[in-house]
Amino acid sequence: DIQMTQSPSSLSASAGDRVTITCRASQDIGNYLAWYQQKPGKVPELLIFAASTLQTGVPSRFSGSGSGTDFTLTIASLQPEDVATYYCQKYDSAPYTFGQGTKLEIK
Amino acid sequence: EVHLLESGGGVLQPGESLRLSCVASGFAFSNYAMSWVRQAPGKGLEWVAHISSGGGSTYYADSVKGRVSISRNNFGDTLNFEIYSLRAEDTATYYCAVFSVGFDHWGQGIPVIVSS
Repeated sequence: DIQMTQSPSSLSASAGDRVTITCRASQDIGNYLAWYQQKPGKVPELLIFAASTLQTGVPSRFSGSGSGTDFTLTIASLQPEDVATYYCQKYDSAPYTFGQGTKLEIK
Repeated sequence: EVHLLESGGGVLQPGESLRLSCVASGFAFSNYAMSWVRQAPGKGLEWVAHISSGGGSTYYADSVKGRVSISRNNFGDTLNFEIYSLRAEDTATYYCAVFSVGFDHWGQGIPVIVSS
């Protein structure tokens, strides 16, 4: 099965900083990559699908890129409400594996 | 508006069985594949089971294969998930989720605690 590896596992940044989270698939998954945001105590929400397409309603400071095996999630200017754990997930075929998550905090 | 309401969780003993249900509304349930995703306390998201829109194809994570069954009733807009021979490591919040481009809608989650 394809493994999904995120880095870093945790990250602390200041408001206004540019933040990048990476996700690597152990095999080519094309652009079948989704990113989720899970705020503390809340249900996960889809941020980005097809590696780079923003879900409706997601602020434009979020962006995604990559294809094949290497992907990134970027927050252009970190806001306090972005404190959350972020997960990548492959959805080309089952198993629909998630990355281990990246916990993002504000300094 | 899409709404997914899970039920059936609770506190169970190791070895017992559990049936979770997810009632869907606000969309054409029969047109969409569905999955169950779980999250152990303080841990990450784990996909566990998936069923095609018509119910003819099912897929399971290796961690639960052989102990679980996913099914659906498209007439009643309901997704079901049965776990047999519960183990302590099945303790988690279980979410049902709509599959399209990833999981674009999630239920609120239902906690399952396996403890003696």
